Amino acid sequence: QVQLVQSGAELKRPGASVKVSCKASGYIFTTYAMHWLRQAPGQRPEWMGWITTGTGDTKYSPKFHDRITFTTDTSAGTAYMELNSLTSEDTAIYYCARFSIFGVVGFDYWGQGTLVTVSS
Amino acid sequence: EIVLTQSPATLSLSPGERATLSCRASQSVSTFLAWYQQKPGQAPRLLIYDASNRATGVPARFSGSGSGTDFTLTISSLEPEDFAVYYCHHRDNWPPWTFGQGTKVEIK
Repeated sequence: QVQLVQSGAELKRPGASVKVSCKASGYIFTTYAMHWLRQAPGQRPEWMGWITTGTGDTKYSPKFHDRITFTTDTSAGTAYMELNSLTSEDTAIYYCARFSIFGVVGFDYWGQGTLVTVSS
Repeated sequence: EIVLTQSPATLSLSPGERATLSCRASQSVSTFLAWYQQKPGQAPRLLIYDASNRATGVPARFSGSGSGTDFTLTISSLEPEDFAVYYCHHRDNWPPWTFGQGTKVEIK
């Protein structure tokens, strides 16, 4: 079955960087784009961007474009999200989500989420 | 950036009742609108895509309608497991993709 398994919770100081991983299994990794979203406590999900896993092409939300990087290791079926210059406003649960365009159109599978806490 | 506004913020209903949730877009999104359900401590779950299509495994009591700027998610008869927060979501060729602020369906 399809699974997205993310790396564990992170505690970071302001100004630091964080890198979250998302290991996919149960499907051909390069067939689906991988999106990253985050959700601050009590807030709506916030879309951060996507990576086309087959080519490595990326599209970032303008809000993050100057401090975010998406990468993949296709041999390992893993996607990565790195966010730089962290502030307390980046404290949130970060999700990877597979975006399907085959039949169902949308985020059909999600990772379990990675809590990133930014605090001095 | 397209803004999605959901109403009401909270819906207090009893099991068996009908729930009607609204999502309004600041400009036309055609039918590129989805609905997600989120329960505490869980990731969102896709319910409806392209305004009116149920995702795999979603019960028939969930239905979506609308196009352009006005959309509705209807739950015909609430089951205990349906009490959750519901978000509408817009996708497009141009970022950013956006979510509404959510409607919480709570037990009355």
